[in-house]
Amino acid sequence: KNEVEQSPQNLTAQEGEFITINCSYSVGISALHWLQQHPGGGIVSLFMLSSGKKKHGRLIATINIQEKHSSLHITASHPRDSAVYICAVGSGGSNYKLTFGKGTLLTVNP
Amino acid sequence: KAGVTQTPRYLIKTRGQQVTLSCSPISGHRSVSWYQQTPGQGLQFLFEYFSETQRNKGNFPGRFSGRQFSNSRSEMNVSTLELGDSALYLCASSLIGTVSYEQYFGPGTRLTVT
Repeated sequence: KNEVEQSPQNLTAQEGEFITINCSYSVGISALHWLQQHPGGGIVSLFMLSSGKKKHGRLIATINIQEKHSSLHITASHPRDSAVYICAVGSGGSNYKLTFGKGTLLTVNP
Repeated sequence: KAGVTQTPRYLIKTRGQQVTLSCSPISGHRSVSWYQQTPGQGLQFLFEYFSETQRNKGNFPGRFSGRQFSNSRSEMNVSTLELGDSALYLCASSLIGTVSYEQYFGPGTRLTVT
């Protein structure tokens, strides 16, 4: 079993829909990262959180430490949101490293 | 402020050869981490350098090595290349490299081993 599980693996939505991507992890963590990767490879860090909720524009990330679960929400989705969304957990204290989920491929159709 | 840069962007090598990839972090960032991304395994942590010292290492064979210079620029080297080393290699820099600081990724180097 992977330490970081994401669901769904693939998601197709219509423009304007509300999107939720889930991430569950099995290890103790110091922080959880949500990353966005567009075709071509570049990765952008969307959120880093260790508790509660963060919001940036149409993106919202939440984390429940007790349940070892995080969600990434996209409100009013747009075709430019089409990308792979990757959940990564940071752990290890002074030997901090990221462990990644397999990613969720989101396609938003106009 | 300039972002993280990686050179070269694309590389084709033959089995058995060695390769060196370079990463220049954001100015002021002292931590550089390297990652390998393949379709089968996804993103995997290779190693992290901080102040010219390797601080953490992932589960990769000794053929994968790296170093960091006094200006925080980092290189990674893969010796005796295998077909399975074909991947996108990403580096990321962060201000200090602790859990409190987010990572900024470079565009990656796509390595193809034939």
